[in-house]
Amino acid sequence: DVKVTQSSRYLVKRTGEKVFLECVQDMDHENMFWYRQDPGLGLRLIYFSYDVKMKEKGDIPEGYSVSREKKERFSLILESASTNQTSMYLCASSLVVQPQHFGDGTRLSIL
Amino acid sequence: AQTVTQSQPEMSVQEAETVTLSCTYDTSESDYYLFWYKQPPSRQMILVIRQEAYKQQNATENRFSVNFQKAAKSFSLKISDSQLGDAAMYFCAYLGFGNEKLTFGTGTRLTIIP
Repeated sequence: DVKVTQSSRYLVKRTGEKVFLECVQDMDHENMFWYRQDPGLGLRLIYFSYDVKMKEKGDIPEGYSVSREKKERFSLILESASTNQTSMYLCASSLVVQPQHFGDGTRLSIL
Repeated sequence: AQTVTQSQPEMSVQEAETVTLSCTYDTSESDYYLFWYKQPPSRQMILVIRQEAYKQQNATENRFSVNFQKAAKSFSLKISDSQLGDAAMYFCAYLGFGNEKLTFGTGTRLTIIP
């Protein structure tokens, strides 16, 4: 089975902090994704990566950056956390044009 | 741009009964994929069923089946013999052919009444 592991299930940070969310997949998938999930808005794509060191902006990239130095790892970075970035963050991975497999999510609170 | 609409924010069904969740989408593409994902309280998104647009036959996975109407751009999910473990948020999602980015609907929260 595909395993997508997010480093934290819950995280509390303060405004202005630099925040790192880590995601690791164990199935050699080319594609990796970061979403945020908010009530009534569904899942919105922040960034996605189709290869090592490659990235593409999603629908809501503002305030975020990403890093993919190794194929199995995709990091989401909040450069200077703000309260409006309090949300559930979901990581996913997939083979080319195949269904995405998701991690358990990180519930991030910015105080 | 593609959009996916789930017009039912919440639904409920008696245990062992059948329920249908609605999804419509908008696209100008002819080749694409459609998915239903389930997100239980444990939070992990789980793929329930997939449909390729070029296939006329509706996909089925055990108690889960879809009614895919390509001309109407409709993709509903039917859950038969509902069980308590089916309680979850259900998301409809669209994937364009040659594209890697899923477009999700806003979800339907399904409650199972014992």
